[in-house]
Amino acid sequence: DTAVSQTPKYLVTQMGNDKSIKCEQNLGHDTMYWYKQDSKKFLKIMFSYNNKELIINETVPNRFSPKSPDKAHLNLHINSLELGDSAVYFCASSQADYNSPLHFGNGTRLTVT
Amino acid sequence: AQSVTQLGSHVSVSEGALVLLRCNYSSSVPPYLFWYVQYPNQGLQLLLKYTSAATLVKGINGFEAEFKKSETSFHLTKPSAHMSDAAEYFCAVSGAGGGNKLTFGTGTQLKVEL
Repeated sequence: DTAVSQTPKYLVTQMGNDKSIKCEQNLGHDTMYWYKQDSKKFLKIMFSYNNKELIINETVPNRFSPKSPDKAHLNLHINSLELGDSAVYFCASSQADYNSPLHFGNGTRLTVT
Repeated sequence: AQSVTQLGSHVSVSEGALVLLRCNYSSSVPPYLFWYVQYPNQGLQLLLKYTSAATLVKGINGFEAEFKKSETSFHLTKPSAHMSDAAEYFCAVSGAGGGNKLTFGTGTQLKVEL
C-alpha cells in the first residue's frame, strides 16, 4: 500500500526527446509537489498543486509542464530534454497547512544522453 | 525569504558515539522546521518536526532536535550512532507567505564507522 508512487523509477533517454513521469498518492492529501534533486543532492521545489490548482511555480524552464487531472495525481511532462535535465525527480504530497510534513515517492532517476 | 544552512556536508562518527548534525535557519516569521533522512536510492522520510509546541522534539529512530530561537538553530542529535543511521540528512523550513513551500538545506552525509 505505497503512499506516494511514481513511475518510472529509471528513465534513460536522448537529448531532444519528450518524456513524462507519473505520480499518484493514496493519502488523501490536497497538495502535491515536484522536487528536483541534482547530482550534489540539492533539493529544489519545481511545482506545487493544491486540489488540482497550481500554487507554486518556481523558475523552471517552460519545457517542464505539470498536469494534475485530480488531487491524487500529478504528472510531469518534459519537452526537448537537455543534458542538464539529468537528475532525480521526486513527487511528494502533504496536507495544505504549513506544518504538515511532506511524504515523498522514491524518485525517478532521469538520465539524458 | 526562508532558508536553512547545514554546517558540514559530511560527518563521520564511530558506532556508539554521539551524532550531532547542525542546522541554522533564517525566517522572518515563526518557522516550521523539519529533519528528513534519505537512504540510498530512496525518497525522503520525515524524522521529526518542530511546530512550536515544544522546543525539544523527539523523532523516530532515537533522534531528537532542539529549537533554539536565540541561536536560530535546530540541531539534530542521537546519543548513540548505529550503522543503520548512515544516510543523507536534510534540514528544511516552511512557513506562512510561501504556501506550503518546503525549503531544504544542502544536506549532511552521515557516515558511521566501526
